[in-house]
Amino acid sequence: DAGVTQSPTHLIKTRGQQVTLRCSPKSGHDTVSWYQQALGQGPQFIFQYYEEEERQRGNFPDRFSGHQFPNYSSELNVNALLLGDSALYLCASSSLLNEKLFFGSGTQLSVL
Amino acid sequence: AQSVTQPDIHITVSEGASLELRCNYSYGATPYLFWYVQSPGQGLQLLLKYFSGDTLVQGIKGFEAEFKRSQSSFNLRKPSVHWSDAAEYFCAVVRRGGSEKLVFGKGTKLTVNP
Repeated sequence: DAGVTQSPTHLIKTRGQQVTLRCSPKSGHDTVSWYQQALGQGPQFIFQYYEEEERQRGNFPDRFSGHQFPNYSSELNVNALLLGDSALYLCASSSLLNEKLFFGSGTQLSVL
Repeated sequence: AQSVTQPDIHITVSEGASLELRCNYSYGATPYLFWYVQSPGQGLQLLLKYFSGDTLVQGIKGFEAEFKRSQSSFNLRKPSVHWSDAAEYFCAVVRRGGSEKLVFGKGTKLTVNP
């Protein structure tokens, strides 16, 4: 049983560009959450998707957007990249009835 | 606002020594509490969680944590550390009954000396 898978594992972009990160949840999970982990910091909640809708959002600008597909996979899009967007982006999946989150290994985004 | 404080940024212990990592939280009501471990370049692995009941919680890899309501603390302990325990450890909370966002501390990096 595959856990949470994220792609790509590493990505390098330049300022002003746009990026799309992808996440496939663990089998049986219907809820996907995205977190940003800057160097030396704990993960910070970006948003959560359930039933293809954004359920809750953290304190991130509108440049950060997402989508959930009918198969529960999800994308995180970041527009107009800034140097400060460089971070490890973690995807976590869960069942809405289960508080336990399973995390993927993350996508390391570097903005130059 | 909810917050999690991990006072120790970096801890160094010798292999075989005991370990305690501190975590304090600020929350309107007792939340659900978690400890995660992260190895370099990896995602987060759940070590243990506290929802209710016995305030001493056993987790994987020989870790345990004790919830103390009066101190708003949830400290992680291990009686004898192994070199493979070197990693970063994160304490996190979420609203009781909620499945929304986890609020994480900034983490404690553990170094294990041979």
